[in-house]
Amino acid sequence: EAGVAQSPRYKIIEKRQSVAFWCNPISGHATLYWYQQILGQGPKLLIQFQNNGVVDDSQLPKDRFSAERLKGVDSTLKIQPAKLEDSAVYLCASSLDWGGRDYEQYFGPGTRLTVT
Amino acid sequence: EDKVVQSPLSLVVHEGDTVTLNCSYEVTNFRSLLWYKQEKKAPTFLFMLTSSGIEKKSGRLSSILDKKELFSILNITATQTGDSAVYLCAVTDNYGQNFVFGPGTRLSVLP
Repeated sequence: EAGVAQSPRYKIIEKRQSVAFWCNPISGHATLYWYQQILGQGPKLLIQFQNNGVVDDSQLPKDRFSAERLKGVDSTLKIQPAKLEDSAVYLCASSLDWGGRDYEQYFGPGTRLTVT
Repeated sequence: EDKVVQSPLSLVVHEGDTVTLNCSYEVTNFRSLLWYKQEKKAPTFLFMLTSSGIEKKSGRLSSILDKKELFSILNITATQTGDSAVYLCAVTDNYGQNFVFGPGTRLSVLP
């Protein structure tokens, strides 16, 4: 079974620039998550999708971050404009069904963003 | 506000030692607690504990959940250098939402 795919793996940008990350979840997984993990901290949930609808985006800084999951499969996370404090690893995860018995999340390799 | 606290934040042991990692939490409408192992890359799932499954074991790893006292422990016996990683604890609410992770415990196992 193929895992969660993310790209790019690394990105370096200057502050005030824009950046986009892409995630392809495991086939058949209805729920997709984006997390921000700052060095030395645990992952922080940014947004959770159920199919192509947003379930929870309470911690997404909506003035600069946006995410979409068209057609309920792939997802993109965008930052515009980036700030120095956005430097982190952005993890995408998917799970079979949030409302069912299976909450196990499978994580992708992450995108390491450095904002200079 | 939902919160997860882990202790210790860092731990150094020698191969063969037994370690206990702690996780305490505050969450509205608790549903489940999950343990993950994070090496250099993405977290990998270890255990999920809910009201219907408060003790799990897999090989040298085991975990229990105390819903009354709002904490969980992860035990690793006969540690190996390959156990060196950050161990993350996370909780979720009854709607399958609001995943909150703790800061993690960084375990280093020396040969």
